[in-house]
Amino acid sequence: GDSVTQMEGPVTLSEEAFLTINCTYTATGYPSLFWYVQYPGEGLQLLLKATKADDKGSNKGFEATYRKETTSFHLEKGSVQVSDSAVYFCALSRSGNNRLAFGKGNQVVVIP
Amino acid sequence: NAGVTQTPKFQVLKTGQSMTLQCAQDMNHEYMSWYRQDPGMGLRLIHYSVGAGITDQGEVPNGYNVSRSTTEDFPLRLLSAAPSQTSVYFCASTQGNTGELFFGEGSRLTVL
Repeated sequence: GDSVTQMEGPVTLSEEAFLTINCTYTATGYPSLFWYVQYPGEGLQLLLKATKADDKGSNKGFEATYRKETTSFHLEKGSVQVSDSAVYFCALSRSGNNRLAFGKGNQVVVIP
Repeated sequence: NAGVTQTPKFQVLKTGQSMTLQCAQDMNHEYMSWYRQDPGMGLRLIHYSVGAGITDQGEVPNGYNVSRSTTEDFPLRLLSAAPSQTSVYFCASTQGNTGELFFGEGSRLTVL
């Protein structure tokens, strides 16, 4: 079935550092891809999305490019802030439905 | 605009007790769903509904019941709670088939 794999373990980095979180997927057809963010004590909220190959989603300085050849959707931000500390989830859905499959999530901690 | 509202936020049950987690949305969304979030496992879909009177099973439906009598409400029922159901539960909704889910703040359930 459809699945999403995120890199293992939390990510700790200093303010203004470059952030990359890896995400790869397994799916038939052409899924839509998402990054959701969960701030402490809150529900998830959509950060960005891409619906077809080579699309780049971007929001709040974060970017991710839909790479069909490598089945990847890595999240990047050039200069993180303390306020970016959160858990980040990669997810996919088959086109035409809302039944998202989520990765395990990555805790990101940004140190001042 | 309240969005997606979940109650209660915290609940402790004993094994075998029953309870209902409430979810209400005020955005007139047709699609609603319930996920559970467990450490190291991301979010897993329990049940979902594409409209009033229509429900279907997700990835981990055993031990849970749902109903959708109105567009606004989508309660999740645990008929006989088990320790394995200790988790954080999230309700989410959306309109159309965008995959852009709006999440509630979650309900933390502990089963002793």
